[in-house]
Amino acid sequence: ETGVTQSPTHLIKTRGQQVTLRCSSQSGHNTVSWYQQALGQGPQFIFQYYREEENGRGNFPPRFSGLQFPNYSSELNVNALELDDSALYLCASSLNRGTYNEQFFGPGTRLTVL
Amino acid sequence: QQQVKQSPQSLIVQKGGISIINCAYENTAFDYFPWYQQFPGKGPALLIAIRPDVSEKKEGRFTISFNKSAKQFSLHIMDSQPGDSATYFCAASKDGGATNKLIFGTGTLLAVQP
Repeated sequence: ETGVTQSPTHLIKTRGQQVTLRCSSQSGHNTVSWYQQALGQGPQFIFQYYREEENGRGNFPPRFSGLQFPNYSSELNVNALELDDSALYLCASSLNRGTYNEQFFGPGTRLTVL
Repeated sequence: QQQVKQSPQSLIVQKGGISIINCAYENTAFDYFPWYQQFPGKGPALLIAIRPDVSEKKEGRFTISFNKSAKQFSLHIMDSQPGDSATYFCAASKDGGATNKLIFGTGTLLAVQP
């Protein structure tokens, strides 16, 4: 059983640029959630995808968008990067069975915006 | 009502001692309370979780105590070891909702001294 993987590991961008982060779900999982973890803080929920549809969103602006593909891998896109977007971006996958399901986190992508 | 408050921010414990981390929540709709452990450069990993129908759950050296009336829950790490040194996050979620998003506390940095 393969775990959740994310790419790239680290990324440096400048303000105003766009970035795409990628996540491969754990085998057999059909739901992916994205979280933003600022330095010294707990992860903050960005959104969740289930069966390729957005299935809930946290308090993040529309410039944060995502995709889930038929193989359940996912992308997080952030447009018009701001300095405050610098954070660790975590992807978590789970198997939606109608009740709470354990979320398995990947190692994250460290994004630095200069 | 979506907040989960965690304390202390940091904790130093001697090897063999008991580490205690506390969390409080406001939203009575929460019914799933996991604890996550995060090592530097890694994503959070589930340690132990509890639902409000029990007051205590133990797994090895890790115990969750839950007080529904006070809306508080805590993590006890017995016989703390240097390998337990990590950041610990409590979280809360509403089971069975359309989106199983986790609301995280701000984290506790635990250092176990040999």
